[in-house]
Amino acid sequence: GESVGLHLPTLSVQEGDNSIINCAYSNSASDYFIWYKQESGKGPQFIIDIRSNMDKRQGQRVTVLLNKTVKHLSLQIAATQPGDSAVYFCAENIGAGSYQLTFGKGTKLSVIP
Amino acid sequence: DAGVTQSPTHLIKTRGQQVTLRCSPISGHKSVSWYQQVLGQGPQFIFQYYEKEERGRGNFPDRFSARQFPNYSSELNVNALLLGDSALYLCASSEGDRGFSYNEQFFGPGTRLTVL
Repeated sequence: GESVGLHLPTLSVQEGDNSIINCAYSNSASDYFIWYKQESGKGPQFIIDIRSNMDKRQGQRVTVLLNKTVKHLSLQIAATQPGDSAVYFCAENIGAGSYQLTFGKGTKLSVIP
Repeated sequence: DAGVTQSPTHLIKTRGQQVTLRCSPISGHKSVSWYQQVLGQGPQFIFQYYEKEERGRGNFPDRFSARQFPNYSSELNVNALLLGDSALYLCASSEGDRGFSYNEQFFGPGTRLTVL
């Protein structure tokens, strides 16, 4: 499928190492944040979310950190695997029943076997 | 269970033409959202529909319109196509419209539109 990763920042990581992907969000009123993974030829896939009243949330091999002071999100992937290679997007939502998501620019993660 | 399906997969049009893209949500899902993803960028919100009513609209011109049918499937129409409309058009479905969590929203594979 056609790559969605052209012209995006790229992070190359050795298999087994930890990955950290960063994102600056735009709206200080946003109260819900999501990380998505998008593989070539596919739509975005939900990874993990966090609400603005939290600063950390952990899932399976993934951790999201939220710093509202500087409007910054990060996604940490532990023991990165080749299957983690994809483009990662952060997205923000203002809540209030709205489904509207504002996506960041994305980071392409390449895992070196 | 089938996920979100979109048709067609790929489409080539010329400037000035009109296009209709289709989306079938997951069974039981009543909300559909449309996004435009230009190559190398994140998706941009176009519309959200719930129970056949428009619930949200992004910053897109009136050339873009959509509707939702009684079976909750949806169509996105774009008139007077411009070169800049070339993109991947994504549809996402969710069960409800309030109090949801985004792990309940699922994206389809998209329709790749090329405008020549």
